[in-house]
Amino acid sequence: NAGVTQTPKFQVLKTGQSMTLQCAQDMNHEYMSWYRQDPGMGLRLIHYSVGAGITDQGEVPNGYNVSRSTTEDFPLRLLLAAPSQTSVYFCASSYTKTTSPLHFGNGTRLTVT
Amino acid sequence: GQQLNQSPQSMFIQEGEDVSMNCTSSSIFNTWLWYKQDPGEGPVLLIALYKAGELTSNGRLTAQFGITRKDSFLNISASIPSDVGIYFCAAQNTGTASKLTFGTGTRLQVTL
Repeated sequence: NAGVTQTPKFQVLKTGQSMTLQCAQDMNHEYMSWYRQDPGMGLRLIHYSVGAGITDQGEVPNGYNVSRSTTEDFPLRLLLAAPSQTSVYFCASSYTKTTSPLHFGNGTRLTVT
Repeated sequence: GQQLNQSPQSMFIQEGEDVSMNCTSSSIFNTWLWYKQDPGEGPVLLIALYKAGELTSNGRLTAQFGITRKDSFLNISASIPSDVGIYFCAAQNTGTASKLTFGTGTRLQVTL
């Protein structure tokens, strides 16, 4: 069982570039989410989805877009990368939003220069 | 957004020692979780607590859900080198639109 798979593991972007961080889970989880992790800030929720076709904003959504066309995939798009988006990004999923603990991927370390 | 106050921020201990860390909030939660993050990996769930006053163990780890529902602690007994990592508390109110809120983490380093 692969669990939650994130790609790429590392990425360097220049300011203004765009890219998509991929996330896939094979556990048939309804709930998927994206967090960013910054030193001293813990994990902050960017966007989440409670099922295919449904997405919503988290605590820090600005500068990011998401879509959920299938149960398995939940890509995170950076439209115009900025240095403030330098961070480690984690995708997480759970069976439902309200009852199940999150399972995390191994993260994508993004640097924006 | 709301955040959980986790302490200590970091700690150095010797192998074999017991470790204690805690997490507090000004808000009430009905679920508390403890995660561990190893370098280069995502957080992994250690213990989940769903009832105020609940005391749950997972091997050498013991966690408690505070009676006030505003705090939780995690104890690690007889620490070993592989306990090194960052420990995060997280809390949530199930059944509502509330998101999972994370603490800022406790970095644990174990010396031989």
